[in-house]
Amino acid sequence: SQQGEEDPQALSIQEGENATMNCSYKTSINNLQWYRQNSGRGLVHLILIRSNEREKHSGRLRVTLDTSKKSSSLLITASRAADTASYFCATDAAGSWGKLQFGAGTQVVVTP
Amino acid sequence: GAVVSQHPSRVICKSGTSVKIECRSLDFQATTMFWYRQFPKQSLMLMATSNEGSKATYEQGVEKDKFLINHASLTLSTLTVTSAHPEDSSFYICSALDTLNTEAFFGQGTRLTVV
Repeated sequence: SQQGEEDPQALSIQEGENATMNCSYKTSINNLQWYRQNSGRGLVHLILIRSNEREKHSGRLRVTLDTSKKSSSLLITASRAADTASYFCATDAAGSWGKLQFGAGTQVVVTP
Repeated sequence: GAVVSQHPSRVICKSGTSVKIECRSLDFQATTMFWYRQFPKQSLMLMATSNEGSKATYEQGVEKDKFLINHASLTLSTLTVTSAHPEDSSFYICSALDTLNTEAFFGQGTRLTVV
């Protein structure tokens, strides 16, 4: 399996704190994406970072990509209770556009 | 933005019956679509790559005779779960590749319950 790894598996924080989760993958990639999934629901696309990019921001989200280490991190700043969800990273291997391999996911719980 | 519509969102069927799930790209053409499956408390796993006008490519361990994929047009791929069993109960989700932007966009997913 080419599925990547994420850590931590679970993260429990209070509102206002920052949440950081990490993702590692195994092959050269085109893009790395982060998704959010609320329990029993579909995927919400958060951010896409291309293999030639190192950092990207979107609102309270900050994503870094280190292709030499085959790893990425997602930082959520000033977390809110509504950020409670599972977060997945997904990569498509170089030359396989759109064919995503998902990480195991990080379950984030933000308490008020 | 690119929109992918997946139907139905929920379906309950009896063991032994077949269920068809549709995945449509609404505002772009998709020669390639992907089907994923997610069991409870697990991540998403790619099942197969659906190619318009040709046979689907299945991932290792996915039974092609059980999960029939048809991609007859540039905007529609269907996944049929044949002779469904309770262990097929899962969340199935498709994505469609927008080749112009080299990004794939997801449908809303289908929760299948086999009783």
